[in-house]
Amino acid sequence: AQSVAQPEDQVNVAEGNPLTVKCTYSVSGNPYLFWYVQYPNRGLQFLLKYITGDNLVKGSYGFEAEFNKSQTSFHLKKPSALVSDSALYFCAVRDGFKGSARQLTFGSGTQLTVLP
Amino acid sequence: NAGVTQTPKFRVLKTGQSMTLLCAQDMNHEYMYWYRQDPGMGLRLIHYSVGEGTTAKGEVPDGYNVSRLKKQNFLLGLESAAPSQTSVYFCASSYSPGLAEYTGELFFGEGSRLTVL
Repeated sequence: AQSVAQPEDQVNVAEGNPLTVKCTYSVSGNPYLFWYVQYPNRGLQFLLKYITGDNLVKGSYGFEAEFNKSQTSFHLKKPSALVSDSALYFCAVRDGFKGSARQLTFGSGTQLTVLP
Repeated sequence: NAGVTQTPKFRVLKTGQSMTLLCAQDMNHEYMYWYRQDPGMGLRLIHYSVGEGTTAKGEVPDGYNVSRLKKQNFLLGLESAAPSQTSVYFCASSYSPGLAEYTGELFFGEGSRLTVL
């Protein structure tokens, strides 16, 4: 079975400082990895994905994530946080075998608060 | 760009009542999903569909039924609502894995907040 762990329920960071939101995963085959963001009273919005290729993936709003196969991690990062980045962030994984109908498994979410 | 649209956005039910949530997508996606979101538990898959006329159970299907009579619509039904079904429900859609456009990314609606008293 595939699973995702987001070990921090809450991350606080000062505006202008770098931020990291952690994610580790477990999947039987090659992983497809995703980060989504949810603003209050809104649906989830796609940020970035890793399918194959470079381990450092760049996404929307200046976010990036690093795929580390040996550590089975896919941490979300941003060099300089903005107050507007405050939101709930979800990591998700699925098995990369396209022939299956296997679904995305989401982590429990990490609430990011950027302090002015 | 409508994307994925959910109706209604809010609903309050009494225990034992029934209701249907409607999801509509205009992206010609084959796959559609219903998730529920509860604090500290992330998103859990209720049911999903890989095409018109097909449905399958997800992680937490009990107490829910679904139908996919048209490709663009995916309905989630509660036959006899219980307080444990108080949650925010999200519909999502995606391309089929067989297509070149497929990346596994899901496109979400804005959610339907259901309260069961």
